[in-house]
Amino acid sequence: GIQVEQSPPDLILQEGANSTLRCNFSDSVNNLQWFHQNPWGQLINLFYIPSGTKQNGRLSATTVATERYSLLYISSSQTTDSGVYFCAVVRRGFTGANNLFFGTGTRLTVIP
Amino acid sequence: DAGITQSPRHKVTETGTPVTLRCHQTENHRYMYWYRQDPGHGLRLIHYSYGVKDTDKGEVSDGYSVSRSKTEDFLLTLESATSSQTSVYFCAISAVGTEAFFGQGTRLTVV
Repeated sequence: GIQVEQSPPDLILQEGANSTLRCNFSDSVNNLQWFHQNPWGQLINLFYIPSGTKQNGRLSATTVATERYSLLYISSSQTTDSGVYFCAVVRRGFTGANNLFFGTGTRLTVIP
Repeated sequence: DAGITQSPRHKVTETGTPVTLRCHQTENHRYMYWYRQDPGHGLRLIHYSYGVKDTDKGEVSDGYSVSRSKTEDFLLTLESATSSQTSVYFCAISAVGTEAFFGQGTRLTVV
């Protein structure tokens, strides 16, 4: 199966700092999603990005499909950004289902 | 928020007992999925459905079965629960070619 690797596994930031999270994948994919899992366990959709760059407020994501990686940028971090960030690649089967293959996540802690 | 409800939210059960988890959606999406989340593994796909009565296996389907008798409901059954099935279970939904949205999860403990 496809391998998805995220780095770094853990990250501690001072409030206001910027960070870049990386996701590498081992094979071609149909799409890619970034999620934030908050401390209560809820998975929040951040980006659905097969290629190129998207921005949403202080967050932006870039996927370079030809080189099999994606980056998530967090600027001016806030304590509410704490949690685990997951990258998941989409492999679309013959049924059309968007099956996701997840990395093991980056645990971000933002300290005031 | 996507209209996905998982029930129960927490369950403790004994080894060898059957367990059924329910996922209910109000979005009328075609695709529904069950994932499990374990430390060090991220989330892994158990089974998915691509229509009423149409299901297929995912990465970690051994010991699980699913059923979908209505568009809005997708059931995950552990026929005989084992301690290795202690996990957090997430349901997800998606429309054709769109991103997946996740429910709030069910924490299952098998003792």
